Amino acid sequence: QVQLVESGGGVVQPGRSLRLSCAASGFIFSSFAIHWVRQAPGKGLEWVAVISSHGYDKYYADSLKGRFTISRDNSNNTLYLQMNSLRADDTAVYFCARDRNPGSHYNGMDVWGQGTTVTVSS
Amino acid sequence: QSVLTQPPSVSGAPGQRVTISCTGSSSNIGARYDVHWYQQLPGTAPKLLIYGNNNRPSGVPDRFSGSKSGTSASLAITGLQAEDEADYYCQSYDSSLSGSVIFGGGTKLTVL
Repeated sequence: QVQLVESGGGVVQPGRSLRLSCAASGFIFSSFAIHWVRQAPGKGLEWVAVISSHGYDKYYADSLKGRFTISRDNSNNTLYLQMNSLRADDTAVYFCARDRNPGSHYNGMDVWGQGTTVTVSS
Repeated sequence: QSVLTQPPSVSGAPGQRVTISCTGSSSNIGARYDVHWYQQLPGTAPKLLIYGNNNRPSGVPDRFSGSKSGTSASLAITGLQAEDEADYYCQSYDSSLSGSVIFGGGTKLTVL
């Protein structure tokens, strides 16, 4: 079945780095743009980044100020989020989500992973 | 402060109709970008409920409908059921932001 599974979350000290992964299965991964979306405890959804199907186009939320990098490996059906200089306010559940139609990232997110929890604390 | 404004909460009795508004501006909803809606049940990942302003993915009951006019959009739920109790988010795009993808702040629906 169509599925996204995140991993790599955990507890990390402020200022350190962490890399999240999102493994895809059940669909042609290389055809779809994929997003990262996060949700702080008790808060709403916050869009983080999106990467195009081929990986050449990447867009980020302004608030991240260059600390996060999205990438993908289409040969291994995996999406990544490299997070540097982590801060307490990066504490959240991080979801990967597939854009609904191939070719762009303006179609809505129709497949979501279960999320992986990142806690930034000393 | 979200670029898209939703009421923090709405409520209704079983069988009733409720609507959730999503107010934007000329750089997002008013710029003719599509609006999508998501339902998030407690402790679960969001689920796409409405895409492209008023389209339901396969499996979503026709009790859920979406509309858009000017700089606002709405989600309507008719025949309210207990299992509809969840958080609902609108999502669109904004031409003034580098990344462009934006979410509303979310609305908690309580079924009385």
